[in-house]
Amino acid sequence: EAGVTQFPSHSVIEKGQTVTLRCDPISGHDNLYWYRRVMGKEIKFLLHFVKESKQDESGMPNNRFLAERTGGTYSTLKVQPAELEDSGVYFCASSQVSFGTEAFFGQGTRLTVV
Amino acid sequence: QKEVEQNSGPLSVPEGAIASLNCTYSDRGSQSFFWYRQYSGKSPELIMSIYSNGDKEDGRFTAQLNKASQYVSLLIRDSQPSDSATYLCAVCTTSGTYKYIFGTGTRLKVLA
Repeated sequence: EAGVTQFPSHSVIEKGQTVTLRCDPISGHDNLYWYRRVMGKEIKFLLHFVKESKQDESGMPNNRFLAERTGGTYSTLKVQPAELEDSGVYFCASSQVSFGTEAFFGQGTRLTVV
Repeated sequence: QKEVEQNSGPLSVPEGAIASLNCTYSDRGSQSFFWYRQYSGKSPELIMSIYSNGDKEDGRFTAQLNKASQYVSLLIRDSQPSDSATYLCAVCTTSGTYKYIFGTGTRLKVLA
């Protein structure tokens, strides 16, 4: 069974450009989470989808970030326009049911904004 | 107060010793607790989950949970150099929607 996969693994963009990250969760996992780790800090929650619905987007930093999950399958996270402080590793995770089951992580996308 | 707190370390233990990693959390209503291991440059890998008070053992790993004290720990017996990594404590909160809140992680170094 395939795990959570993320694309691209690395992205280097200039300030002001747009970047779109993609996450394919484990098949059958309704729950999809986006997290971000900025260097030296803890992994921070960004948002949570249940199927195609945003259950909680309280962690999204600002309106430059837009997450979608069309059809409840894969998800994209777009940053537009990117700023220097957006640099970090963006992780996606998925789990089977809402409450308390294990979440499995993708390998992450390392975003560098220069 | 952070929602999930861990000592950042590094925690250094000799090979073969027991490594003890600790985590406290603030949301008293939390029900699910997880330990992830993260090697440098890699994604977090789930190693233990615990839901009830007491101990849960899996191979060389034992997770301990004390909800009254809002404390969860991970013991690694017979530590190996390959156990050297950052260990992340995660708590599934029940405030609002369900989401996993992570501590900063404890860096473990097992010395050969």
